[in-house]
Amino acid sequence: EADIYQTPRYLVIGTGKKITLECSQTMGHDKMYWYQQDPGMELHLIHYSYGVNSTEKGDLSSESTVSRIRTEHFPLTLESARPSHTSQYLCASSLGVEQYFGPGTRLTVT
Amino acid sequence: QKEVEQDPGPLSVPEGAIVSLNCTYSNSAFQYFMWYRQYSRKGPELLMYTYSSGNKEDGRFTAQVDKSSKYISLFIRDSQPSDSATYLCATVGLNRLAFGKGNQVVVIP
Repeated sequence: EADIYQTPRYLVIGTGKKITLECSQTMGHDKMYWYQQDPGMELHLIHYSYGVNSTEKGDLSSESTVSRIRTEHFPLTLESARPSHTSQYLCASSLGVEQYFGPGTRLTVT
Repeated sequence: QKEVEQDPGPLSVPEGAIVSLNCTYSNSAFQYFMWYRQYSRKGPELLMYTYSSGNKEDGRFTAQVDKSSKYISLFIRDSQPSDSATYLCATVGLNRLAFGKGNQVVVIP
């Protein structure tokens, strides 16, 4: 079983607030990813990292930012939450091609 | 053109039936193909992956890749209510995973 954790699991927050979604893995994987998932839609890659101090934007335009200061930690920050940010956010990590996912954070912005 | 296409229609089957799920992909250079299972309110978990063409079997699950038609399939034999979940196909495209939209499968006892 993959050891990848996300907090919080659920978050309801008002428009304009700054939020950070946490993701940690204990497998020593170099590669980590953030996806956005809406019902009935594909997972969309929003950020990824291939190692410490390396971050890239993914395919989906996002107003979020990420950092990778430690191998095991890959937080995602929204500076000013909007209702359009309401979604499920999934963190993943990998060593090879297979990616292992965390349980997700369901974010609702009111 | 999307890298992976998966008809997201839901599928309901009686317990014990064979579940058949399919995806198509766009680039003949893709070599790795995966199936993920996602239970409600959980993250996807890797079910199986195959490299290149052919079949791979794991218990009641069989993954099949037909590179000539760019078609990937997942078969679940003797389906159980615990198999009720959303199944997503994925392939490694452009150095990252590309996912299908997923099929929601409901196995009725």
